[in-house]
Amino acid sequence: EAQVTQNPRYLITVTGKKLTVTCSQNMNHEYMSWYRQDPGLGLRQIYYSMNVEVTDKGDVPEGYKVSRKEKRNFPLILESPSPNQTSLYFCASSLLGGSNQPQHFGDGTRLSIL
Amino acid sequence: GENVEQHPSTLSVQEGDSAVIKCTYSDSASNYFPWYKQELGKRPQLIIDIRSNVGEKKDQRIAVTLNKTAKHFSLHITETQPEDSAVYFCAAPQGTNAGKSTFGDGTTLTVKP
Repeated sequence: EAQVTQNPRYLITVTGKKLTVTCSQNMNHEYMSWYRQDPGLGLRQIYYSMNVEVTDKGDVPEGYKVSRKEKRNFPLILESPSPNQTSLYFCASSLLGGSNQPQHFGDGTRLSIL
Repeated sequence: GENVEQHPSTLSVQEGDSAVIKCTYSDSASNYFPWYKQELGKRPQLIIDIRSNVGEKKDQRIAVTLNKTAKHFSLHITETQPEDSAVYFCAAPQGTNAGKSTFGDGTTLTVKP
């Protein structure tokens, strides 16, 4: 089944403790992207990747890192999480052309930073 | 960068009525305009999209119209049903940077039986 898989689905942690949210897709998509969703603010893009080893900032990249060493994986790294990063995070992928194609979303990761 | 405004933020209709949600965008080079539906607790899923060389696209009860001159596009849902209740998002990629994608703030649609 074609899908985007995120882990963990839920995480409660404390300020400053490094964490990684994994994202994996099995559709051989070139484009992958991370979004955060906060009430009333829609989906805001954090980082995106047009292909392996090619990443770039979205609209809200501060406090986050990403890497794209393999086509299928695009982890989101919070080196020193802070409470303002408490949010619902979605990973998405699309075949070609970046965000000019339909994006397939994962089920989301709810992060709570205390 | 791209600026996308979506209206209304909430919309309540009676079952069987029509619903219209509108988005305006700022980047005249944008050429792809999708609409996503997000049910409560679920992931966003594409329901319909349109490219800039087309003015209207329809899929059963759902249609999207695009006015490139005015830089706005709209989602039309006819004969609404309770299962249409969800949050709907529009999006517009930045025209000169296919990687960047800006979403509207979402419209919460409630269909009352």
